[in-house]
Amino acid sequence: GQNIDQPTEMTATEGAIVQINCTYQTSGFNGLFWYQQHAGEAPTFLSYNVLDGLEEKGRFSSFLSRSKGYSYLLLKELQMKDSASYLCAVRDSNYQLIWGAGTKLIIKP
Amino acid sequence: ETGVTQTPRHLVMGMTNKKSLKCEQHLGHNAMYWYKQSAKKPLELMFVYNFKEQTENNSVPSRFSPECPNSSHLFLHLHTLQPEDSALYLCASSQPMDSALVGFGQGTRLTVV
Repeated sequence: GQNIDQPTEMTATEGAIVQINCTYQTSGFNGLFWYQQHAGEAPTFLSYNVLDGLEEKGRFSSFLSRSKGYSYLLLKELQMKDSASYLCAVRDSNYQLIWGAGTKLIIKP
Repeated sequence: ETGVTQTPRHLVMGMTNKKSLKCEQHLGHNAMYWYKQSAKKPLELMFVYNFKEQTENNSVPSRFSPECPNSSHLFLHLHTLQPEDSALYLCASSQPMDSALVGFGQGTRLTVV
């Protein structure tokens, strides 16, 4: 079966750095996505990795290792507004998105 | 504003009611999706429409009935639901085969009593 694993909840301090991990086992691989979802709002696209390595976009970076079936989302200089759920999704060989259950990130002052 | 609008935002219905969820997208996409999001569970893909044709039905019970009259509008008709159907229902759109550009609506929070 296809499976995406990510921690259920994480807590971090304002101004700090946090890394949210995602491991996957899917039928084929055509890219990995990270989405941010604030409570009661639509998920919004954060990043896309299809090749191994690090993609940096401002305070957010995403890393991919295809051989390990592993990705992480790195958030730097955390702000209170970063409190949200972060969803990891993998596009499989049929170009369908397989979703993780999301990681709820709580930022404390 | 995500370009995908869902109504209503909240819905409470009895198990014998019939209601419909509406989704409209202004992104020029030709693929539309219904997802179910339950607490602490992955997004569950329910239905996919490409160019108004249903291309995916992930074993969804017949009490959920989708309708796609054109590429910009998508409906989910609900009847005789069960309490376990209570969840956030998200509509999304993209270009076909390009799920990297998925735009989501804000969802309808459905409670079945």
